[in-house]
Amino acid sequence: GESVGLHLPTLSVQEGDNSIINCAYSNSASDYFIWYKQESGKGPQFIIDIRSNMDKRQGQRVTVLLNKTVKHLSLQIAATQPGDSAVYFCAENEGGSYIPTFGRGTSLIVHP
Amino acid sequence: DTAVSQTPKYLVTQMGNDKSIKCEQNLGHDTMYWYKQDSKKFLKIMFSYNNKELIINETVPNRFSPKSPDKAHLNLHINSLELGDSAVYFCASSPIGRTEAFFGQGTRLTVV
Repeated sequence: GESVGLHLPTLSVQEGDNSIINCAYSNSASDYFIWYKQESGKGPQFIIDIRSNMDKRQGQRVTVLLNKTVKHLSLQIAATQPGDSAVYFCAENEGGSYIPTFGRGTSLIVHP
Repeated sequence: DTAVSQTPKYLVTQMGNDKSIKCEQNLGHDTMYWYKQDSKKFLKIMFSYNNKELIINETVPNRFSPKSPDKAHLNLHINSLELGDSAVYFCASSPIGRTEAFFGQGTRLTVV
């Protein structure tokens, strides 16, 4: 079946740098995307979402960009902090389905 | 006052046993899910359930069965446990018609 995946399994950055986590999706019918953060020993936690009628959405220190032409999603974290160290997942939904399909995950490591 | 709670957090059991994992949510959500996370952190949907509909991922063995005594609970029962069932199992919930899922802390199941 179609799947959601990530380009980089591990991303290491220095504290204070900006981080960019990428996600490729293959289901062209997907119209809703979510980024989740999973810290060690915890369940995934919602960060930010975006609908397919948008190409950018900003939150607190985070920005999600959506490029439907190439089926690409990215999460930008500004001024990365040690507390941002976690595994980040993108998830997608096809219209009419409320079940999120998760991508593989990227481990973000922030060095002090 | 945890939103989505699972018990137990850790479960070690022998092959062939039957076990249950309990999940409760106090968010008033209509939809609940069970996900399996393998050693590579991949999150796979197992079931989604609301008071009207059970959707089963067809790749899930029928040894796994969800049981919902009421809207706030969705327990996972597993028969004849196998070594390959070892994983972290997450319960989640979401409001009806929404995809943003709230996850529990996970149950680490180890089959020996």
